Amino acid sequence: EPEVTQTPSHQVTQMGQEVILRCVPISNHLYFYWYRQILGQKVEFLVSFYNNEISEKSEIFDDQFSVERPDGSNFTLKIRSTKLEDSAMYFCASSDTQGTYEQYFGPGTRLTVT
Amino acid sequence: DAKTTQPPSMDCAEGRAANLPCNHSTISGNEYVYWYRQIHSQGPQYIIHGLKNNETNEMASLIITEDRKSSTLILPHATLRDTAVYYCIVLYNFNKFYFGSGTKLNVKP
Repeated sequence: EPEVTQTPSHQVTQMGQEVILRCVPISNHLYFYWYRQILGQKVEFLVSFYNNEISEKSEIFDDQFSVERPDGSNFTLKIRSTKLEDSAMYFCASSDTQGTYEQYFGPGTRLTVT
Repeated sequence: DAKTTQPPSMDCAEGRAANLPCNHSTISGNEYVYWYRQIHSQGPQYIIHGLKNNETNEMASLIITEDRKSSTLILPHATLRDTAVYYCIVLYNFNKFYFGSGTKLNVKP
């Protein structure tokens, strides 16, 4: 069964450093998403991406964040200058463009900013 | 903001049916109801979705009231591995899901 994969599973970085989180969506999906979950809190929407551009973004997704689909398979989230409060699980998801848009989530990347 | 209301927690005995309710009284006519679950800190897992009719798949059944203002997710024979947080989501728009606080289901032996 096709699945969304994410790398790395755990990333530790120092405050102020740039990080890139990587995702490989399900191959025939064309909508891509990033969510985050701070420990013990809700899953929060960050951004959706379609046709090589951002479809929608939340207020969390400020200028420190960017997304890219550098090739036909990867989807990345970049945080330019990490802050302590960026520590969270980051989930990538993808969905088909047809039907009812159920999203399929990856296992997540745990980002720890020290 | 969330358009759904769920109880914060529920208990269920192993092997029994787990019935998880959700209120979505402001749902619009063309909005789907989705159910996801999250086990520990894993990625949310899709369970089922529906619009008007009751739906069943290999994981669960979804019962939607005729007025569509509430729904119930049914796990017919709960196991310990079904212990998770269950989220009822009304598709806010097709670009994103809004996850509320969900229901923490505790399946007990």
